[in-house]
Amino acid sequence: GNSVTQMEGPVTLSEEAFLTINCTYTATGYPSLFWYVQYPGEGLQLLLKATKADDKGSNKGFEATYRKETTSFHLEKGSVQVSDSAVYFCALSDLYFNAGKSTFGDGTTLTVKP
Amino acid sequence: GAVVSQHPSRVICKSGTSVKIECRSLDFQATTMFWYRQFPKQSLMLMATSNEGSKATYEQGVEKDKFLINHASLTLSTLTVTSAHPEDSSFYICSARATGTGTGDMNTEAFFGQGTRLTVV
Repeated sequence: GNSVTQMEGPVTLSEEAFLTINCTYTATGYPSLFWYVQYPGEGLQLLLKATKADDKGSNKGFEATYRKETTSFHLEKGSVQVSDSAVYFCALSDLYFNAGKSTFGDGTTLTVKP
Repeated sequence: GAVVSQHPSRVICKSGTSVKIECRSLDFQATTMFWYRQFPKQSLMLMATSNEGSKATYEQGVEKDKFLINHASLTLSTLTVTSAHPEDSSFYICSARATGTGTGDMNTEAFFGQGTRLTVV
């Protein structure tokens, strides 16, 4: 079956620090990969996505590259802000197997201090 | 973009009562919708897959008689928590996948509602 393993948190950084949150996956088909962000008390927001190998998803300064050879989709940001404090979920969805069903990592809580 | 609306966003109910949560795809048709549950500080766990016009498929360990799912149209799925108890208090989120064949973003991605926070007192 599909699974997502995400870097354990919590992660605490100072403003303007570099962020990496690791994510690796296992999948039986051809997954699309996603990063979602959840702010306190709110639902999920799609942060970025990549649908095939070597694709790079990017949004709001965040980036992640779909690496099929290492089955990874690590999230990076060069300079974090206090407003980036949230929980980040790595997820996959497989078009050919249970298309649309999402498998999530455990989430990583990021706290950015001024 | 594709929008999924979930209602209500928050609900408090008394133990023993039933609560209905609606999930609507506003600008696309969704043959399949998914219901997830999120306990505090935990990840999202799939509860069931809802298919329009047929019975929902429940994940192992999810009580189908307690969590009733109805997907009567291509734009609406409902989750009813029957005889709710405090342990059912949780964050429930739905997602919807667009109808259609072939590749493309609309068919690989499921779009999420904003979630419903249920508190049973």
